[in-house]
Amino acid sequence: GQQLNQSPQSMFIQEGEDVSMNCTSSSIFNTWLWYKQDPGEGPVLLIALYKAGELTSNGRLTAQFGITRKDSFLNISASIPSDVGIYFCAGQLIQGAQKLVFGQGTRLTINP
Amino acid sequence: GAVVSQHPSWVICKSGTSVKIECRSLDFQATTMFWYRQFPKQSLMLMATSNEGSKATYEQGVEKDKFLINHASLTLSTLTVTSAHPEDSSFYICSATGAGSSDEQFFGPGTRLTVL
Repeated sequence: GQQLNQSPQSMFIQEGEDVSMNCTSSSIFNTWLWYKQDPGEGPVLLIALYKAGELTSNGRLTAQFGITRKDSFLNISASIPSDVGIYFCAGQLIQGAQKLVFGQGTRLTINP
Repeated sequence: GAVVSQHPSWVICKSGTSVKIECRSLDFQATTMFWYRQFPKQSLMLMATSNEGSKATYEQGVEKDKFLINHASLTLSTLTVTSAHPEDSSFYICSATGAGSSDEQFFGPGTRLTVL
């Protein structure tokens, strides 16, 4: 089945640093989504990307939908303690209504 | 808006018993609900997709007789883990679409199942 390769698996950074993570796939996706999950909770949508090449920002977060529709990255600028958590990319296939395929996740730890 | 709740938030049961988990859309009618399973330090894996009033569509490798899904109304879907075993211990998360004109999935807070 379709898989998303997300990297890095984990990051340990200092508060204030910028963060970058990405996802790649062998399949083409219609939509790319980035979620954040706190321990013991469900994922929360951060950014949704609908068009190839699209660059979208949400506060300190910026994400881009790759031109080939097979990759996406998420950047977090000037990290703060509340950014700690697990970040997942997810792709929505062109065929197969609404089904999401999730990446393996990037666990972000911030040292104050 | 677009709030999804799950009940219970956690449950501990004995091996061999059945457990029912509820997923509710609180302020919108969910045309479609999804059930995911997440093992520790792993990603979310889709188990099944359910539409109100019809049978759920299960992903490959998911036993439909073990994971019974009922989507009887536009605001409620239930997942019953039958004859639960320790390997069924996991974090079960539901999501729902149908709020507004987009197909965004709104996720519930998850249910932690521990089978002893």
